Amino acid sequence: DAGVIQSPRHEVTEMGQEVTLRCKPISGHDYLFWYRQTMMRGLELLIYFNNNVPIDDSGMPEDRFSAKMPNASFSTLKIQPSEPRDSAVYFCASSLAHNGYTFGSGTRLTVV
Amino acid sequence: GQQVMQIPQYQHVQEGEDFTTYCNSSTTLSNIQWYKQRPGGHPVFLIQLVKSGEVKKQKRLTFQFGEAKKNSSLHITATQTTDVGTYFCAGPRYGGSQGNLIFGKGTKLSVKP
Repeated sequence: DAGVIQSPRHEVTEMGQEVTLRCKPISGHDYLFWYRQTMMRGLELLIYFNNNVPIDDSGMPEDRFSAKMPNASFSTLKIQPSEPRDSAVYFCASSLAHNGYTFGSGTRLTVV
Repeated sequence: GQQVMQIPQYQHVQEGEDFTTYCNSSTTLSNIQWYKQRPGGHPVFLIQLVKSGEVKKQKRLTFQFGEAKKNSSLHITATQTTDVGTYFCAGPRYGGSQGNLIFGKGTKLSVKP
């Protein structure tokens, strides 16, 4: 298995632009998580899905953030409009039930 | 709210020395997981502990889950430069599904050759 695949690896965008991050989970995993990592706040859960259904989005910072999982093999995290304080590494992870998470390589987002 | 705390935040050791990081939860956990993140990398799952008082070993790494299931530790014997990275513990979010973890802030380990 290729693991959890995220794209792009790096994204530099101007403030106000829309940003879309993509994730392909491991086939057969029933949970998908979006995390944001910064030096100050560590790993923060943004939202997670179970069997493609959003379960908890209380970690999504504002209405500017949205996430979708149209099918079991694809999820997106969208920021519109982006702001400099959104700069961080965004990780997607998937898991099978109670087992450990498999993280993707992350997307390093820089908003200038 | 629920918290998972780790100490120390940073640890610098000489290669060959031992290293221990501690994890404490504000609530009783059904299980605890440990992850390692290399510099510039992503967290990688190391192990899950489920039973009270459980001890598991992976080569030079020893993981322990406390009797009250509120604390855990990771001990590395005779550190090597390949051990460099940040070690995170994580436990299920209280009231959440078993698949929803809350992560500690991690302990960043540096090893001087």
